[in-house]
Amino acid sequence: DSGVTQTPKHLITATGQRVTLRCSPRSGDLSVYWYQQSLDQGLQFLIQYYNGEERAKGNILERFSAQQFPDLHSELNLSSLELGDSALYFCASSVARGTGFYYGYTFGSGTRLTVV
Amino acid sequence: GQQVMQIPQYQHVQEGEDFTTYCNSSTTLSNIQWYKQRPGGHPVFLIQLVKSGEVKKQKRLTFQFGEAKKNSSLHITATQTTDVGTYFCAGLSNAGNMLTFGGGTRLMVKP
Repeated sequence: DSGVTQTPKHLITATGQRVTLRCSPRSGDLSVYWYQQSLDQGLQFLIQYYNGEERAKGNILERFSAQQFPDLHSELNLSSLELGDSALYFCASSVARGTGFYYGYTFGSGTRLTVV
Repeated sequence: GQQVMQIPQYQHVQEGEDFTTYCNSSTTLSNIQWYKQRPGGHPVFLIQLVKSGEVKKQKRLTFQFGEAKKNSSLHITATQTTDVGTYFCAGLSNAGNMLTFGGGTRLMVKP
């Protein structure tokens, strides 16, 4: 157990639907990152939150949105789903701050989304 | 934007052979991190390199950060079947506050 909890582990849904993926960061970590990993592909950065505020955005589609709540858990919302959105979605957390020393990310076990 | 390239994409080795993966950034990096993802698993942080020319070892794994802080390598001596997985480098730019991951090198080890 890495300390980062992601739910659900698996999700199967139809095209056009909307889903919410949830992530609880490791205790004490203020930053949450979302990544998408398609089959046998690398890790595509989607978005970062730090202590409740959006910090950085990657190649996140307009159909996707995220937020981080006061208790630091985060949710990634995916809407109008397409077949191509099928992928593993990882959440990672770290103690990273705006400046200074950076630490390794701790990844959750991921949510496997299948759009049919 | 910042790009991080990794080669090779795949590598098959016989158990006991050495393995090296290379990472190159389009921009100078503040630091570089390495992760390992086992098949069906999630990426796990291995190490972080910060200083120009830094070399760090973890048992059979040797990590190097280039003098110009734009490239890095991971070398595994005498591979074992437990080394199987995808190795990712991830670079933090001087200007940024997030990691950019390379495409990964998938290592397969034949017993």
